[in-house]
Formats: sequence, C-alpha cells, structure tokens
Amino acid sequence: DAKTTQPTSMDCAEGRAANLPCNHSTISGNEYVYWYRQIHSQGPQYIIHGLKNNETNEMASLIITEDRKSSTLILPHATLRDTAVYYCIVRVAGFGNEKLTFGTGTRLTIIP
Amino acid sequence: EAGVAQSPRYKIIEKRQSVAFWCNPISGHATLYWYQQILGQGPKLLIQFQNNGVVDDSQLPKDRFSAERLKGVDSTLKIQPAKLEDSAVYLCASSLVVGAGPGTQYFGPGTRLLVL
Repeated sequence: DAKTTQPTSMDCAEGRAANLPCNHSTISGNEYVYWYRQIHSQGPQYIIHGLKNNETNEMASLIITEDRKSSTLILPHATLRDTAVYYCIVRVAGFGNEKLTFGTGTRLTIIP
Repeated sequence: EAGVAQSPRYKIIEKRQSVAFWCNPISGHATLYWYQQILGQGPKLLIQFQNNGVVDDSQLPKDRFSAERLKGVDSTLKIQPAKLEDSAVYLCASSLVVGAGPGTQYFGPGTRLLVL
C-alpha cells in the first residue's frame, strides 16, 4: 500500500469547515483513499472512501486531486464531537486486500 | 444493527501471566481482524481471518500470541506469557467484502490491557 503523509495536529473553530489534507504521492491506479477517525477511548470509525471522483456522505466530503497524489477530507460544520484523530489510508480493494495500515494520523481539535 | 462486541473492556495482569480477549463480529461479516494499538500510535494489524481461516498473521508474535476463530464467527486472542510491552488496546474489527469492491471495517470498542 502507498504511504500517506498527514499533519500531526490541527485546530478548527466550532461551526467552521475542517479541512484535513493527506499526501499520497505514490498511489497506484487501483488504490482507494480511505478515511477513518478515532475518538478518544473508542475504536476507529469509517468516514468515507474514494478512488478518483469526489465523494460526499452524511459525515464528510472527500476531494481527490486529478493526479490522485493528494486528497482533503472536509467536515463542513465541525462540532466538538468531531475532535478525534483522523487517519488517511491508501489500499487496494478486493478479496485478500482488506488490510488497513494506519499511520499516526492528524489530531483534530475543535475549539468552542 | 449490533456492532462489534469485545470483552473484557479492561484487564490488568502481571507480566508472565496469560490473558484472553473475546470478539463477536457483526452478523454475516466473514472477515475478522485483530489490531494492537500502543499509546500514541495507530492500530497495527496482528491477524486477519476469512471465515475460520487465517489470511494474514505476518505481524503476530507467534511465540506468545495466538488467535482462533472457531466456526467462523467469534474469535479469541490469547497472550501467553504477557510482557510489559504488550500493554496496549486490542481492537477487533469485521468487514463484509463482496466481489472485488472495497470493504469497510467496523471496529469494536477495544480491550485495554495493562501489564505490570
């Protein structure tokens, strides 16, 4: 799986959009970008994933650059409950390829 | 839909003792994972099961760790004997992979182990 680079920490004001960047410059054509988050004392939680098109769900939006070398997770209206560590993971999909390799992620703090 | 269940939630043991963790995945999920998360780090995969067969155990310290998934549902992870460096959160996850599409992993709350 391709390696990812994320900032160690970020702050965001409550109610504003939180934009979390991820660099994956060695991504291959068949690798997906996944985002998970981990709230304190809980297991990681799936947020969103994408291959090359931008994606949106009830939790967040995922913007992938045209060359696929980087992506941004957007939480449109951050709340205090969004304070967590956010992990960007790149992996190939399919049987036998479900392994997730977590880095140290970005610690996002939402400030009241 | 019930989530991934794990027990116990907390365990304190002394080094060289044995400990076992239990996981019940989401109903119908054929793939089950055990991760180890040391404080300040991201989770690290220990072992992956597909039904009751092992797919990947390359990072499992087999001299002291063992895992099984009898009948392809529940799973247990055992450490014998425990070392101080085994202090961590042990996370269980499950996923449903259909065809070649990407599977989402659902995690349990974890078991926090402290080895004294």
